[in-house]
Amino acid sequence: GAVVSQHPSWVICKSGTSVKIECRSLDFQATTMFWYRQFPKQSLMLMATSNEGSKATYEQGVEKDKFLINHASLTLSTLTVTSAHPEDSSFYICSARSGDGPQHFGDGTRLSIL
Amino acid sequence: KQEVTQIPAALSVPEGENLVLNCSFTDSAIYNLQWFRQDPGKGLTSLLLIQSSQREQTSGRLNASLDKSSGRSTLYIAASQPGDSATYLCAVTGQAGTALIFGKGTTLSVSS
Repeated sequence: GAVVSQHPSWVICKSGTSVKIECRSLDFQATTMFWYRQFPKQSLMLMATSNEGSKATYEQGVEKDKFLINHASLTLSTLTVTSAHPEDSSFYICSARSGDGPQHFGDGTRLSIL
Repeated sequence: KQEVTQIPAALSVPEGENLVLNCSFTDSAIYNLQWFRQDPGKGLTSLLLIQSSQREQTSGRLNASLDKSSGRSTLYIAASQPGDSATYLCAVTGQAGTALIFGKGTTLSVSS
């Protein structure tokens, strides 16, 4: 089946650090990737949608200069949290799809900012 | 704006019980509806996907129904097992190719 690999699975870093999270589709070409954020006991909230080769579309309230998304190839998208602060601590999950197919999710990245 | 609600937020049952998880959505113009399982600190595992034209889907002990006109879906789990303990998320898609909109989930605990 379709596999999405997300790395790293867990990050702890100091406030002010930039953190990069990778999302890879291992056995299919991901024309679209989605980035979600999940706070404790809350639902997954869509942050942005990225299509290969074009700029990401951000949801209302998500700062595009803070959460940089790059989808340079059909198998890789990255989310960079720039100058992270404690309020950015959350569980970040990516998903990938090929065309109109189903979304396949990564295992998520737990980000803790001290 | 589409909103997805799941009831109950948490559920505890003894092993062997049959149970129903509920999901409702405010905009009936959906493309499809999915049920996912999420284990603590983990990503999502897709359980069942129901297209808007379908009424139900079954996989093993799981059965999901969809009543699009009333904006409701249920996930029925038969003969629950401790391994079923997890958070179950319901999500809808408005149009083909768009992102999923999730409910907050129902956290299920099955005791042996």
